Amino acid sequence: NAGVTQTPKFRILKIGQSMTLQCAQDMNHNYMYWYRQDPGMGLKLIYYSVGAGITDKGEVPNGYNVSRSTTEDFPLRLELAAPSQTSVYFCASSPAGHRGPDGYTFGSGTRLTVV
Amino acid sequence: KQEVTQIPAALSVPEGENLVLNCSFTDSAIYNLQWFRQDPGKGLTSLLLIQSSQREQTSGRLNASLDKSSGRSTLYIAASQPGDSATYLCAVSPDGSSNTGKLIFGQGTTLQVKP
Repeated sequence: NAGVTQTPKFRILKIGQSMTLQCAQDMNHNYMYWYRQDPGMGLKLIYYSVGAGITDKGEVPNGYNVSRSTTEDFPLRLELAAPSQTSVYFCASSPAGHRGPDGYTFGSGTRLTVV
Repeated sequence: KQEVTQIPAALSVPEGENLVLNCSFTDSAIYNLQWFRQDPGKGLTSLLLIQSSQREQTSGRLNASLDKSSGRSTLYIAASQPGDSATYLCAVSPDGSSNTGKLIFGQGTTLQVKP
């Protein structure tokens, strides 16, 4: 099925370890986003991309990095994991940002625990 | 800074009731407002998107209204069913000179519909 695919679904990291959360979409959407959701809270934007080769910081970018070498993929990198990064991470895509009539497609999330 | 607030945080109703979920935002300069549904352990599903020039949108038993000047939106669910049990998130796309499609989320309202 077409959509946004995130891997892995679950991960436990030790403090100081690194990992990459993968996100891929097959809808040829230009806009892609990474959000994190802490318990009982809404989603906060980490990084976003409006097209291949273009990325920018969101509201909570510290401790993360991204790249966008292709339209399909938008990986999120955690370099030195900290307990504060324990969260559920969602990747999303949109065909035309807020100017399009269509909404956003979200992945099913990656639940990350840092111990 | 745009802030989005949802009240109540949780709501429990008997099956068949009509109900209203509330969303307020502090800055009326928005492109659009969206309502999402989130099931436990799952990603977000877009329910309704209201452009800033619109007053309401309807889909089946759902009706969302937007009053941009007062910074309010409501999601009306008619004849609630146990299958409507989920967390409902409101998000606004801030106005600005560039189309980034960033979303600012409220904390969500967790709805339980009892049989």
